[in-house]
Amino acid sequence: QQKVQQSPESLSVPEGGMASLNCTSSDRNFQYFWWYRQHSGEGPKALMSIFSDGDKKEGRFTAHLNKASLHVSLHIRDSQPSDSALYFCAARPNNRIFFGDGTQLVVKP
Amino acid sequence: AQTIHQWPVAEIKAVGSPLSLGCTIKGKSSPNLYWYWQATGGTLQQLFYSITVGQVESVVQLNLSASRPKDDQFILSTEKLLLSHSGFYLCARTNNYAEQFFGPGTRLTVL
Repeated sequence: QQKVQQSPESLSVPEGGMASLNCTSSDRNFQYFWWYRQHSGEGPKALMSIFSDGDKKEGRFTAHLNKASLHVSLHIRDSQPSDSALYFCAARPNNRIFFGDGTQLVVKP
Repeated sequence: AQTIHQWPVAEIKAVGSPLSLGCTIKGKSSPNLYWYWQATGGTLQQLFYSITVGQVESVVQLNLSASRPKDDQFILSTEKLLLSHSGFYLCARTNNYAEQFFGPGTRLTVL
């Protein structure tokens, strides 16, 4: 059973638009979430973490966590072509780290 | 500065041939280290993790093995490659806050 589920699989937004990515965990032991971004041919890089209920904002990126529903989202405002990448949600209870299947974001100029 | 170096950058190998991929961590002592496999544009599959020298835990069975001969070195290998081994191999370490730092990766093509 997939422990971390992401949606949508792919997303296309116009430049300057808002991109919204979603992630849900099926395990209540997963209380700590990360968002990673991977550009083609590179290793993933951490964008931001969120461990507490509510919103966390870093520049154009806002993560939201609802621990009761084990749902975390990432919102990218004023999307830029350079934001086009594969985005992963990750959750970790211990030394195992579980990644979602990723959302492919395309920002069209 | 802490860096992760992976070698080789890319490999093209024949089915049935052996493989050895390397990962070196600089600037961080006793790191927790991980190997991941990624199909093209696909999800990240954790393969192995190691907390200390000589100790490796397997997460999935993909006819691969891993070793940690030194504190700063993590090796992924197999004696006989399969077509399904093709993909992108990533080495990573964590910090105290569970953030994963990934290396640049090795692109493996098995023909």
